Amino acid sequence: SAVISQKPSRDICQRGTSLTIQCQVDSQVTMMFWYRQQPGQSLTLIATANQGSEATYESGFVIDKFPISRPNLTFSTLTVSNMSPEDSSIYLCSVAGVEADTQYFGPGTRLTVL
Amino acid sequence: GENVEQHPSTLSVQEGDSAVIKCTYSDSASNYFPWYKQELGKGPQLIIDIRSNVGEKKDQRIAVTLNKTAKHFSLHITETQPEDSAVYFCAASRGTGYSTLTFGKGTMLLVSP
Repeated sequence: SAVISQKPSRDICQRGTSLTIQCQVDSQVTMMFWYRQQPGQSLTLIATANQGSEATYESGFVIDKFPISRPNLTFSTLTVSNMSPEDSSIYLCSVAGVEADTQYFGPGTRLTVL
Repeated sequence: GENVEQHPSTLSVQEGDSAVIKCTYSDSASNYFPWYKQELGKGPQLIIDIRSNVGEKKDQRIAVTLNKTAKHFSLHITETQPEDSAVYFCAASRGTGYSTLTFGKGTMLLVSP
């Protein structure tokens, strides 16, 4: 499986500010995904990051709040914009494996918004 | 859309005992069922998965069973060890290339020495 890293690993931010999270993979992958995991909860898909085109967002998530970039096949960013305390969560990126339905996750970014 | 129910939410066992976590799903078209282990402060780690063309899959102390008729699948851990303590998530998807994974709510497994 691919080795996935995320930066930052954790951050504490003030409300109203924005944070950009980076996801780097050690090999080229076609599909990358961004998830949110609220405290003590399960994983919810935010969007699928497509290389060369706009991200595909799930119901309840919008581009203005969570803009995503995918400049190449090994890198993606997720920005959490105009943050509020409700955005305090773990944000995870994942990549699809050789068997396209299998997903492997990064270590996550732990965000606290004050 | 798909709905995945997972039980129990917490499970405490003694070291050496077996642990079973059960999930049900609603979408009869789902045919890929992975299990993830998430340790504190880490991302979910894929530990085993099963596709609908098999009924059971085993990897050392871990096994997964699938009953497509009843739409449920289970994770079995034998000879549990303290390092098995973690949150376990089941998930389901249609598996038709990059299909969305729908996750259960998770089971916190505590293995006492």
